[in-house]
Amino acid sequence: GQQVMQIPQYQHVQEGEDFTTYCNSSTTLSNIQWYKQRPGGHPVFLIQLVKSGEVKKQKRLTFQFGEAKKNSSLHITATQTTDVGTYFCALNGDSNYQLIWGAGTKLIIKP
Amino acid sequence: NAGVTQTPKFQVLKTGQSMTLQCAQDMNHNSMYWYRQDPGMGLRLIYYSASEGTTDKGEVPNGYNVSRLNKREFSLRLESAAPSQTSVYFCASRIRQGHGYTFGSGTRLTVV
Repeated sequence: GQQVMQIPQYQHVQEGEDFTTYCNSSTTLSNIQWYKQRPGGHPVFLIQLVKSGEVKKQKRLTFQFGEAKKNSSLHITATQTTDVGTYFCALNGDSNYQLIWGAGTKLIIKP
Repeated sequence: NAGVTQTPKFQVLKTGQSMTLQCAQDMNHNSMYWYRQDPGMGLRLIYYSASEGTTDKGEVPNGYNVSRLNKREFSLRLESAAPSQTSVYFCASRIRQGHGYTFGSGTRLTVV
């Protein structure tokens, strides 16, 4: 079945540093979604990417979809404490009603 | 507009007890989902309902049953709880394929 690899598992940064998480698939994706889950909270939908080479921005967050539609990244510029949480990518599985979830990247701000 | 509402928020069960987790959405979404999330882990799909009147197994359905009562409500039942079912349970919905999910705030279940 379709799988997605998300790296890294954790990233420790100083406040103000940048953060990036990557998702990679062995197969071409129709689209990819990104979610954020705050500690103790529930996942919140951030964005969906559909087009090859697509780049979308939400304030300090930049989302990219690879040209071959096999990988995607989420980049946060100048992290703030409000960015703390786990970021998940998700993509349509063989059944379009299901999403295949990445394992998540946990963003930790060093004290 | 409440979104996706889950009840209860917390529950402690003894092994062998049964319970039903309730989920309701007021966004007129067609598809609804039940996930579990174990500490430090990602989301695993238990059951889903693509539309009213249909339900299908996900990745980890054993030990669970579901009912899509109407378009708004999708319940998850544990017939005989086991410690391995200690987890956080999330209900989610979406309008249709290709759209993002809206999640409820979760039910934190402990089975002792």
